Amino acid sequence: NAGVTQTPKFQVLKTGQSMTLQCAQDMNHEYMSWYRQDPGMGLRLIHYSVGAGITDQGEVPNGYNVSRSTTEDFPLRLLSAAPSQTSVYFCASSLGRGPGDYGYTFGSGTRLTVV
Amino acid sequence: AQSVTQPDIHITVSEGASLELRCNYSYGATPYLFWYVQSPGQGLQLLLKYFSGDTLVQGIKGFEAEFKRSQSSFNLRKPSVHWSDAAEYFCASSGNTGKLIFGQGTTLQVKP
Repeated sequence: NAGVTQTPKFQVLKTGQSMTLQCAQDMNHEYMSWYRQDPGMGLRLIHYSVGAGITDQGEVPNGYNVSRSTTEDFPLRLLSAAPSQTSVYFCASSLGRGPGDYGYTFGSGTRLTVV
Repeated sequence: AQSVTQPDIHITVSEGASLELRCNYSYGATPYLFWYVQSPGQGLQLLLKYFSGDTLVQGIKGFEAEFKRSQSSFNLRKPSVHWSDAAEYFCASSGNTGKLIFGQGTTLQVKP
């Protein structure tokens, strides 16, 4: 098992450019989510998905789009990058929503700089 | 609304001293509670989790946490801190939807 794989690890964008952050997991987890981490703000939930074809907004969804066409992949799209989106982005996955072992697993992160 | 608060942004303790990191949650029912640790430039590692049952839970690296429903708290403790424990610690909660919400984090500095 590779766990949760995020690509790229580093990225520099110009204001107004678009890009997609990739996230893939090979654990057959139903639940996947995207977070951004900023100093003093902790991790804030951007979007999450409870299964293929189902997504929902988190705490800070503006400027980001997601889709979940397969169980394995959950890409995050920046439509028109802004300097305020400079952050470290983490993808996470979990076995599901029911009681028991949630087992949230995190990727190693993508450091994005928008200039 | 579901929320998590970590009142201490930064804590400094001497090596060998005891540690307690505070966490308060807000949720309509009993949440699922977690503590994660993040070393500089690294991802998040799960220290421990609480779902139900015994309110004192043991985790990795000698950490433990106690769930107190009356105080809406889930504080993290360690009897004797090591220099390698210096890191950022995050408390998180999840309800029945599985949406995981984090606190702002507490940075732990360990003095030799």
